[in-house]
Amino acid sequence: ILNVEQSPQSLHVQEGDSTNFTCSFPSSNFYALHWYRWETAKSPEALFVMTLNGDEKKKGRISATLNTKEGYSYLYIKGSQPEDSATYLCAFLRTSYDKVIFGPGTSLSVIP
Amino acid sequence: GAVVSQHPSRVICKSGTSVKIECRSLDFQATTMFWYRQFPKQSLMLMATSNEGSKATYEQGVEKDKFLINHASLTLSTLTVTSAHPEDSSFYICSAKEIPETVNQPQHFGDGTRLSIL
Repeated sequence: ILNVEQSPQSLHVQEGDSTNFTCSFPSSNFYALHWYRWETAKSPEALFVMTLNGDEKKKGRISATLNTKEGYSYLYIKGSQPEDSATYLCAFLRTSYDKVIFGPGTSLSVIP
Repeated sequence: GAVVSQHPSRVICKSGTSVKIECRSLDFQATTMFWYRQFPKQSLMLMATSNEGSKATYEQGVEKDKFLINHASLTLSTLTVTSAHPEDSSFYICSAKEIPETVNQPQHFGDGTRLSIL
């Protein structure tokens, strides 16, 4: 059974603070990692698709890094804003034809 | 672009009722759609992969006769929970991959359906 873990489960930060959280996945047979943002009462929205070890992706104040050899990805949010409040999901693919395995998510609350 | 519409968003019904949930890709075509179930504080768990024009592929432990999936066109997949019981109460969400499918392509999700069986 493949396990994808995310930590922390939840966190609360003040507006303006920077924050980061982790997605851990099996380090053998890596194919791709996806990050999604899931706001309450909305559908999950794709943030990043990462495929290469050492990948760094950025979208506005949000960025992500990937280490496939040790099996983790970090998501960073710089200067958190209340609209960043959401659950952040990572999803792991072991091969191109394998199913996507989702982590349990990190719930972020940004306090104004 | 890449909008997926899922209906209904919430269903409350009596035990023994069959419930149909629709998943439509509004502005793209999808050969493959996915159905997930989420229990409280847990990950999205893949139930089945819906393939246009062919039978769905079910994950281990998911009853095919309980969760009927139909993918009759490139824009519509349906999940029918047959003879639903309280233990079927959950959050169900669909996603779709846009044609042509590539490894760098994320899934596009619907808003989900909260199913409550009394």
